[in-house]
Amino acid sequence: QQQVKQSPQSLIVQKGGISIINCAYENTAFDYFPWYQQFPGKGPALLIAIRPDVSEKKEGRFTISFNKSAKQFSLHIMDSQPGDSATYFCAARNRGYQKVTFGTGTKLQVIP
Amino acid sequence: EAQVTQNPRYLITVTGKKLTVTCSQNMNHEYMSWYRQDPGLGLRQIYYSMNVEVTDKGDVPEGYKVSRKEKRNFPLILESPSPNQTSLYFCASSLTGIDTNEKLFFGSGTQLSVL
Repeated sequence: QQQVKQSPQSLIVQKGGISIINCAYENTAFDYFPWYQQFPGKGPALLIAIRPDVSEKKEGRFTISFNKSAKQFSLHIMDSQPGDSATYFCAARNRGYQKVTFGTGTKLQVIP
Repeated sequence: EAQVTQNPRYLITVTGKKLTVTCSQNMNHEYMSWYRQDPGLGLRQIYYSMNVEVTDKGDVPEGYKVSRKEKRNFPLILESPSPNQTSLYFCASSLTGIDTNEKLFFGSGTQLSVL
């Protein structure tokens, strides 16, 4: 049972375009939502994160949009670059614990 | 250099032969955790530890053991490995946990094959 559902599984975007990755959850005990970026052969690295008391967070070209009522959140990568080609994971932390549940990942390819 | 070090990088073993994957961090972090990564399933948390002698189960703890006798080390033990434990394993640490402004540092991974 996947508690955090992530889509799409793979994504191809042209350089300069917008990449959008979506995640949905059911567990209302989740209270912190980080996104991780993973390059081949490397461990994941924290990219950006949001708490449910805000609807949007922006860091450079990366933006998280959060819809608490719909239990959905998404990552937008503006002006996508070939160097953004990686696998992206959304995640959610369970309130009161340090357990984290990851989505299944989205492999992003940005083509020139 | 601040880092999380896992060993070995690659490991091939046979069913039932006990093994340990080591994880060490040099950042004086209190929080450490183990994950496995499988195609189509993403990352799944196995165990985590908030401090020395404090460990808790993640989403997939069956078949694994951990110990936290020292702050810097958090080994993952497979007492009787089975083929369904073939996976890419990551250790990670952070100062106090998974939270705002807390960065989770990951190791480079251990690719385990159980034949």
